[in-house]
Amino acid sequence: AQSVAQPEDQVNVAEGNPLTVKCTYSVSGNPYLFWYVQYPNRGLQFLLKYITGDNLVKGSYGFEAEFNKSQTSFHLKKPSALVSDSALYFCAVRPRSGSARQLTFGSGTQLTV
Amino acid sequence: DAGVTQSPTHLIKTRGQQVTLRCSPKSGHDTVSWYQQALGQGPQFIFQYYEEEERQRGNFPDRFSGHQFPNYSSELNVNALLLGDSALYLCASSLPPGLEQYFGPGTRLTVT
Repeated sequence: AQSVAQPEDQVNVAEGNPLTVKCTYSVSGNPYLFWYVQYPNRGLQFLLKYITGDNLVKGSYGFEAEFNKSQTSFHLKKPSALVSDSALYFCAVRPRSGSARQLTFGSGTQLTV
Repeated sequence: DAGVTQSPTHLIKTRGQQVTLRCSPKSGHDTVSWYQQALGQGPQFIFQYYEEEERQRGNFPDRFSGHQFPNYSSELNVNALLLGDSALYLCASSLPPGLEQYFGPGTRLTVT
């Protein structure tokens, strides 16, 4: 069974500073990896995904994520945080093969800038 | 281009009742997935519909059922509601193979 861990419930960062939101996963094989953001009383918005290729993935709103296969991590990063980045961030994983090819989400990390 | 829409926005039901939630996918999308997001948790996959059939199912009891119509819209039905069913129910649409899912704003269900 696949699982996603977001070890930090809350991340606080000053505006203009770099931010990192951590994610590790457990799934057999090479999964697809995703980051979503959720604003209060809203659905989830897609930020970026890793399918294959370059380990550094660039996404929406200046966010990027680094895939590290050996550490099974997919940390979300941004060079300079904005107040408007304050939201709830979810990491998700989906296996490339097998019968259970649904998205599995982490528990979320509340980012406050 | 309309995104994913869900109705109703909020709903209050009593234990033991039944509820139906509705979802219209993003224009051009033919696959609909439903998720349950309890307070303070990440979304949990309920099931996915494609070509009017349930294609995948998460770890949810049979009280949770669904339907997809020929126009790709979908319904989620929950029978014999429990207090623990109180959550935000999210609908997401996509095109196969579903690598990029677009989420609706959700329906907030409260069971009293």
